[in-house]
Amino acid sequence: AQSVTQLGSHVSVSEGALVLLRCNYSSSVPPYLFWYVQYPNQGLQLLLKYTSAATLVKGINGFEAEFKKSETSFHLTKPSAHMSDAAEYFCAVSTIIQGAQKLVFGQGTRLTINP
Amino acid sequence: DSGVTQTPKHLITATGQRVTLRCSPRSGDLSVYWYQQSLDQGLQFLIQYYNGEERAKGNILERFSAQQFPDLHSELNLSSLELGDSALYFCASSLSGAGGSYEQYFGPGTRLTVT
Repeated sequence: AQSVTQLGSHVSVSEGALVLLRCNYSSSVPPYLFWYVQYPNQGLQLLLKYTSAATLVKGINGFEAEFKKSETSFHLTKPSAHMSDAAEYFCAVSTIIQGAQKLVFGQGTRLTINP
Repeated sequence: DSGVTQTPKHLITATGQRVTLRCSPRSGDLSVYWYQQSLDQGLQFLIQYYNGEERAKGNILERFSAQQFPDLHSELNLSSLELGDSALYFCASSLSGAGGSYEQYFGPGTRLTVT
């Protein structure tokens, strides 16, 4: 079964510092991978997705993620953190059940930005 | 704004009761997904409908059921409610239900509190 593991339930960085949120996947077939962000009291918003077109994927709000097959990783990065980036981030892998798509989410990483 | 709407935003009810959560997908999307988010279980896929038909089932309890109507809106029915059913319930929609690369767009969620 396909799954994702997010390393670190809480990450804290200073404003202006590099943001690195880790995600490792488990999949027997080439995966489709997604990063979503959830701001307090809101739904999930798609940041970016990997669908095998390019290993480096650029998303919204300055985030990007690199697919590394050899490391089974899809880590999310942003060069310079902003206070508005404080939120919970979810990595997800798409699985197919009887021809239907299902997203399997990691446990989430809460990002805190220190002024 | 993802274009997915959910009502109500908040719901407080007693154990043993039955509630209905409503979701309208983005214009043009044929698939609707339901997810449950709780502190202990994280984000769990419940069920998917595509163009009125059930396509995939996840960790959905027998006390829960869903349907998608001809106008593509969906309802999630939760009955014989227990304290442990208290959670955020999200609806998501996508253009298609098949193929793993389609991103899902999430609604703002319904927060259910069972007392």
